[in-house]
Amino acid sequence: AQSVTQLDSQVPVFEEAPVELRCNYSSSVSVYLFWYVQYPNQGLQLLLKYLSGSTLVKGINGFEAEFNKSQTSFHLRKPSVHISDTAEYFCAVSNGAGTYKYIFGTGTRLKVLA
Amino acid sequence: ETGVTQSPTHLIKTRGQQVTLRCSSQSGHNTVSWYQQALGQGPQFIFQYYREEENGRGNFPPRFSGLQFPNYSSELNVNALELDDSALYLCASSTASGNLGELFFGEGSRLTVL
Repeated sequence: AQSVTQLDSQVPVFEEAPVELRCNYSSSVSVYLFWYVQYPNQGLQLLLKYLSGSTLVKGINGFEAEFNKSQTSFHLRKPSVHISDTAEYFCAVSNGAGTYKYIFGTGTRLKVLA
Repeated sequence: ETGVTQSPTHLIKTRGQQVTLRCSSQSGHNTVSWYQQALGQGPQFIFQYYREEENGRGNFPPRFSGLQFPNYSSELNVNALELDDSALYLCASSTASGNLGELFFGEGSRLTVL
C-alpha cells in the first residue's frame, strides 16, 4: 500500500526567506509524485509533478522539488517566499495504474510572516 | 476554458438525511474523481467515473454513490448522513482514465452534518 507523510503540519517563515516543505512516501511500485497548493476556501491547484526523467522538477510560482528514490522523498523548496505563498500544501502519490487514486498527505500549512 | 464547477458551495444537513452534490467537469475532460477532505486532513479518494461507469473506488461505504452523465458532469450522493460525513467534497476532472495526468479541482462543496 502507498502512503504519504508530511511531517511538518505548520511551517512559519519570514518573507524573502527560503523554505523547504518535506514529503516522504512509501510504495512497493514506481510512483508519480505531486505537490498541490490550496488557498483558503479554494480547491487544489497543481504546483508541480514528477513522472520520470530529471529528478529536479520546476513548477509554478518559483517552486521546485527533488525526487530522491533512495530516501523516498519529494521535498518542495522555494528560495524566497512571498506573503502570497501563505497556503496549505499537499504532497500526493499515485502509481498511475488504472485510476487517478491519488494518496494525499495531511498537508503543511505555510505561513509567511512580514 | 471553463474550469471545474461544483454546487452547492455550502450546505447543512441533519443526521440520517441524504445529500446530492454536483460537479461540471472542465471542458474536454471525460473523467471525474471525487475526494473527501475532512477538516485538517488531506483529500481522500472516494471514487472515479469514466464514460459513465465507476472506475475505481476508495475505502468508502456503499452509501456513497455517484453518477456520471453523457456530458461528463457528475453527482455524488450520500445516504444516511453521519456526523463524520462533515467535510469539504472536492470534484476533480481529467482527460482520461488509466493514464497519468493532472487533476483539475473545483472549489468544493462544504457539507456540515448536524
